[in-house]
Amino acid sequence: DVKVTQSSRYLVKRTGEKVFLECVQDMDHENMFWYRQDPGLGLRLIYFSYDVKMKEKGDIPEGYSVSREKKERFSLILESASTNQTSMYLCASSFYRGETQYFGPGTRLLVL
Amino acid sequence: AQSVTQLDSQVPVFEEAPVELRCNYSSSVSVYLFWYVQYPNQGLQLLLKYLSGSTLVESINGFEAEFNKSQTSFHLRKPSVHISDTAEYFCAVSDALDSNYQLIWGAGTKLIIKP
Repeated sequence: DVKVTQSSRYLVKRTGEKVFLECVQDMDHENMFWYRQDPGLGLRLIYFSYDVKMKEKGDIPEGYSVSREKKERFSLILESASTNQTSMYLCASSFYRGETQYFGPGTRLLVL
Repeated sequence: AQSVTQLDSQVPVFEEAPVELRCNYSSSVSVYLFWYVQYPNQGLQLLLKYLSGSTLVESINGFEAEFNKSQTSFHLRKPSVHISDTAEYFCAVSDALDSNYQLIWGAGTKLIIKP
């Protein structure tokens, strides 16, 4: 079974802090994704990566950056957290583009 | 650009009653279609998908969905729901015209089972 793990289930940070969210997958998938999930808005794509050291902006990249130094690890960085970044963050990976994505359990981030 | 519409944000239904969760998408040139389920406090997991072949696809827990190209729909159905089906359901589409082959997501439908 594909396993996608995220470093924290719950996180509380203060405005202005730098926040790192880590995601690791164990199935040698090329493709990795970061989404945020807000009630009534579904999933919105923040960034994705189709290869090591490669990154592409999704629909809402402002205020976020990513890092993919190793194939299995994709990190989301909030350079200076703001209260409007309070959300559920979901990481996913896939073998083929446009095909089934496998999700981690999510990180619920609260920015005070 | 592709878009996905889930018309109902919530669907309340009595236990053992049938249910249909609706999903429509905007472009039918060449698509892959997915339904994902999110149980409370969990990540999303794949429920079923259509890639090609038979337009009727089934999941292991009794859900089915039918790809209707003319209606650009992929509605999810179950003939008899159980309390354990309480979850949020997301429809997603990937479009072969999108060179990135991203999944485009609906806003989700919360299935509420009434005892």
